[in-house]
Amino acid sequence: EAQVTQNPRYLITVTGKKLTVTCSQNMNHEYMSWYRQDPGLGLRQIYYSMNVEVTDKGDVPEGYKVSRKEKRNFPLILESPSPNQTSLYFCASSSRDPTYNEQFFGPGTRLTVL
Amino acid sequence: QKEVEQNSGPLSVPEGAIASLNCTYSDRGSQSFFWYRQYSGKSPELIMFIYSNGDKEDGRFTAQLNKASQYVSLLIRDSQPSDSATYLCAVIGGFQKLVFGTGTRLLVSP
Repeated sequence: EAQVTQNPRYLITVTGKKLTVTCSQNMNHEYMSWYRQDPGLGLRQIYYSMNVEVTDKGDVPEGYKVSRKEKRNFPLILESPSPNQTSLYFCASSSRDPTYNEQFFGPGTRLTVL
Repeated sequence: QKEVEQNSGPLSVPEGAIASLNCTYSDRGSQSFFWYRQYSGKSPELIMFIYSNGDKEDGRFTAQLNKASQYVSLLIRDSQPSDSATYLCAVIGGFQKLVFGTGTRLLVSP
C-alpha cells in the first residue's frame, strides 16, 4: 500500500530533551516536506526537500532540523524542544514538482512539550 | 494580508444543498491551486486541483479559478453529512512552496 508513515504518533516530552520524528514514504517520491498545524494558523511549512541531500527552509524553520540521506526518509529533529513547539506535525511527499502533483500526507504526530 | 485567506466558518448547509467555499490569494504569480479535505484529527487529503482559469468538475465537486480576481472556489453539489469537514485551500507560489489557508469548516445537517 502506498503510504507515508510517521513515528511516533503521539509524544509528550519535556523542554530541552532532544527528539526525532521519523517520516518514511514508499512511493519513490522525490519531494518531501514537514508541516505544523496550529489552531487559527493552519498548516505551515517547516522544511522541504527536493531530493536526497537537498533541503531548504519553509516558513517556520526556527528550532527544527532535517536531513535527507535516503530518498524514502525525511526525519524532523527538535534539538531543544520548547513549549511553543507543541503542535500537530504532518510529513508529506509528492512526485517531483509539487506544482502539479498531489502531496500525500502522513497520519500526523501530536507533540506536547511541557 | 495573509497569503491565502479563507472564511473559517462554520458554513452550515442542509443535506442535498450546494456548499460554496471560497479562497483568495495575494501572490499574482501563483500557479496551482488545491483543495484538501481534513476530517477532525486526520490528515489532509486532496479533493481537487486546478491551474487554468475556469471550472474543473469531478463528480459532485467543482473547482473554479479566476486569476484576474485572485480567487478560487470549491462547490460541493448534493452535500452529504459525510462532507462535514474542514476544507483547506492551498496555493503554489514561487519556489514551489505550497501555502495553505486556515481552512473553512463545513457542517452538513441531515
